[in-house]
Amino acid sequence: GPKVLQIPSHQIIDMGQMVTLNCDPVSNHLYFYWYKQILGQQMEFLVNFYNGKVMEKSKLFKDQFSVERPDGSYFTLKIQPTALEDSAVYFCASSLAPGGVSYEQYFGPGTRLTVL
Amino acid sequence: QQQVRQSPQSLTVWEGGTTVLTCSYEDSTFNYFPWYQQFPGEGPALLISILSVSDKKEDGRFTTFFNKREKKLSLHIIDSQPGDSATYFCAASPGNYKYVFGAGTRLKVIA
Repeated sequence: GPKVLQIPSHQIIDMGQMVTLNCDPVSNHLYFYWYKQILGQQMEFLVNFYNGKVMEKSKLFKDQFSVERPDGSYFTLKIQPTALEDSAVYFCASSLAPGGVSYEQYFGPGTRLTVL
Repeated sequence: QQQVRQSPQSLTVWEGGTTVLTCSYEDSTFNYFPWYQQFPGEGPALLISILSVSDKKEDGRFTTFFNKREKKLSLHIIDSQPGDSATYFCAASPGNYKYVFGAGTRLKVIA
């Protein structure tokens, strides 16, 4: 089936540094999402993105976070600067249309971010 | 409030047995409930989903039940197989752009 790829699978950085998480969504999908999962807890919605714009973001999407997808390349989540509490697994997802009733969100395998 | 509670946290069943996972929620605006299956090292994959206008949906060995009055849903796996060993997440959506996930159930099926 359709695959969402995430690069890298694991990233270790020092607190205060910048990190960019990359997502290669399903090729014809138009809606993109980031979710955050702290170890042992549920996956929580961060942000969704369509047509070059953030459609909705949660309170977890701090000012230090930003997303973009320049010219159909990777959909990225940038954190600058990073904090210890940013350590988590970040899942990217994409859907053909707004995820919900009729359109499945396809998830990538996640990027494990460790902030030291 | 937007919260989905899932139980049990982990579960072990014998091969051939029936697995039952449950979720509950509070927000009456939720109208779409997907179940995702996740194997180690992979992303969650849609297993089965149900709309709030239905009370049951079946797909092979997997059946999801929905009780709107009690705000509960469940996933039943009959004839459970070792290959079903995975983490299962229920989720809920008000039909917009995002899902609210449960904490997951780690299932182990023993041969």
